Amino acid sequence: QKEVEQDPGPLSVPEGAIVSLNCTYSNSAFQYFMWYRQYSRKGPELLMYTYSSGNKEDGRFTAQVDKSSKYISLFIRDSQPSDSATYLCAMNPLDTGNQFYFGTGTSLTVIP
Amino acid sequence: GAVVSQHPSRVICKSGTSVKIECRSLDFQATTMFWYRQFPKQSLMLMATSNEGSKATYEQGVEKDKFLINHASLTLSTLTVTSAHPEDSSFYICSARDLSNTEAFFGQGTRLTVV
Repeated sequence: QKEVEQDPGPLSVPEGAIVSLNCTYSNSAFQYFMWYRQYSRKGPELLMYTYSSGNKEDGRFTAQVDKSSKYISLFIRDSQPSDSATYLCAMNPLDTGNQFYFGTGTSLTVIP
Repeated sequence: GAVVSQHPSRVICKSGTSVKIECRSLDFQATTMFWYRQFPKQSLMLMATSNEGSKATYEQGVEKDKFLINHASLTLSTLTVTSAHPEDSSFYICSARDLSNTEAFFGQGTRLTVV
């Protein structure tokens, strides 16, 4: 079983839709949770990070963490064509510190 | 967010030559830098983790003599692909983590093509 599971998609939605991206994990030691956006042929860009259960909002993006279910989500409201990218979730344990564990990424296309 | 600069963004080299890729943290001190390889439409594959002033820790299956990593300072790490072969053609990405040990920031990536 992989440490982090993420549906690779592809996911295609119309402009203005609400997008829900999800990851599940198996290691209860994970404490930091991050979402990255990666455009084609570019390095990943950090979108949001959180280290507690609950919601964190930043503009059109909301990150949600449910540690009891080992489940994290990224919601994108009023999706735009410029949101078309691959979204990667990443996690990191608090104690060992170093290694990040990534999901495989979900490819999202927002259709104008 | 913090800025990580990776150079070059694209390089084409002949088979058998060596290529050096630089990764710099521009506005923070990176105690740890990570080097990843990414194949088309796949996730990041961790190659090695480097801590400033010490030897890099390589993941299983990654040849340390082929992928030389040097983390000489808190703002610079280099990856040298030695005796490159066409199968080494890939997208290489570095990331750096600051002293607070929370999130990591990525470079822009380097597209290596070995001909």
